[in-house]
Amino acid sequence: NAGVTQTPKFRVLKTGQSMTLLCAQDMNHEYMYWYRQDPGMGLRLIHYSVGEGTTAKGEVPDGYNVSRLKKQNFLLGLESAAPSQTSVYFCASARIQGGYGYTFGSGTRLTVV
Amino acid sequence: EDQVTQSPEALRLQEGESSSLNCSYTVSGLRGLFWYRQDPGKGPEFLFTLYSAGEEKEKERLKATLTKKESFLHITAPKPEDSATYLCAVQAGSGNTPLVFGKGTRLSVIA
Repeated sequence: NAGVTQTPKFRVLKTGQSMTLLCAQDMNHEYMYWYRQDPGMGLRLIHYSVGEGTTAKGEVPDGYNVSRLKKQNFLLGLESAAPSQTSVYFCASARIQGGYGYTFGSGTRLTVV
Repeated sequence: EDQVTQSPEALRLQEGESSSLNCSYTVSGLRGLFWYRQDPGKGPEFLFTLYSAGEEKEKERLKATLTKKESFLHITAPKPEDSATYLCAVQAGSGNTPLVFGKGTRLSVIA
């Protein structure tokens, strides 16, 4: 059981380039989330999805877009990368029934130069 | 706005030296309070969920407690392998509301 898999694990982008981060879960979870983690800032929510075909903005959505075309996948896109988007990105998934917590992926370390 | 404040930011303990981590929160209608452990270079790992004041949960050397304003993570006789960052998060309102995380406490246990 792989849980939550994030691809890629590391990436270096130049300012203005675009990329897509992929998150895949094999637990049939309804909910999926994208967070970024920066030193001294903790985990901050970017976007989330409560089901296939639905997405919503979190605390820091600017500069990012998401899509949830399939229940098991949640994609995070950066249209024009900026140095401020240098961060570690975590995807998480959760069951509808509360209390079981989120299952996180191992993260994507992104550097924008 | 829902807020979570964790203290201290960092804690250094000798092996066997028990202590507590604090998580204070401000939320409108607490649905659940969550504790996670995060090792360097890895994603957070779920530890506990607490729902109401007075509730306690235990796992090995860890015990989490909850009051109406804060939660404590008690670490009894810690070992070096307990070294990690411990994150607290709250969920408010309905079941769809995403978790709001604190900035974490970085725990180091020295042999």
